[in-house]
Amino acid sequence: GDSVTQMEGPVTLSEEAFLTINCTYTATGYPSLFWYVQYPGEGLQLLLKATKADDKGSNKGFEATYRKETTSFHLEKGSVQVSDSAVYFCALSEVLTGGGNKLTFGTGTQLKVEL
Amino acid sequence: GAGVSQSPSNKVTEKGKDVELRCDPISGHTALYWYRQSLGQGLEFLIYFQGNSAPDKSGLPSDRFSAERTGGSVSTLTIQRTQQEDSAVYLCASSLQGSPGNTIYFGEGSWLTVV
Repeated sequence: GDSVTQMEGPVTLSEEAFLTINCTYTATGYPSLFWYVQYPGEGLQLLLKATKADDKGSNKGFEATYRKETTSFHLEKGSVQVSDSAVYFCALSEVLTGGGNKLTFGTGTQLKVEL
Repeated sequence: GAGVSQSPSNKVTEKGKDVELRCDPISGHTALYWYRQSLGQGLEFLIYFQGNSAPDKSGLPSDRFSAERTGGSVSTLTIQRTQQEDSAVYLCASSLQGSPGNTIYFGEGSWLTVV
């Protein structure tokens, strides 16, 4: 079945450092790709998405480009802030029986940003 | 409501007891999903509803797990004869429709601890 692999955490960075969190996927067909974020004590929130090859999703300074040739969707941010400390989940969607949209998640990468 | 609402937020139950977890999706959202987040297994899909019907129950881990949705709105996930391995965060999510282009919004989860 479809699967998502993302880099192990935790990742610890200093404020204003460059962030990359790697994500690769295995899928039949052409899934949509997502990054979700979970801040401490909060629920999962959609950070960005891309629905087809070469699309770039962006939000709050984060970017990720859907690379079909490398089956990747790496998350990047040029300058992280302490407030970006959270767990980041890469996910893909596949169509379910009867419609619907199942998300398959990676294991999550914890990011800690220090002053 | 403004977001996906889940209750209870925390539940501690004794092994062998039944528990019910409730989800109130975003108003007007026809698609509803249940996921489970646990330390050992990450985020797992459990079941998908479109309206009141559940075309995909493939993620339910055993016949002790069931779910229903009434009035195209509120959903209840029931776990019978709880076991310690059922301890996890149960996440509910909804989207406007079931198609892949629709954003899936998550609630904050119900933390279940089986002792």
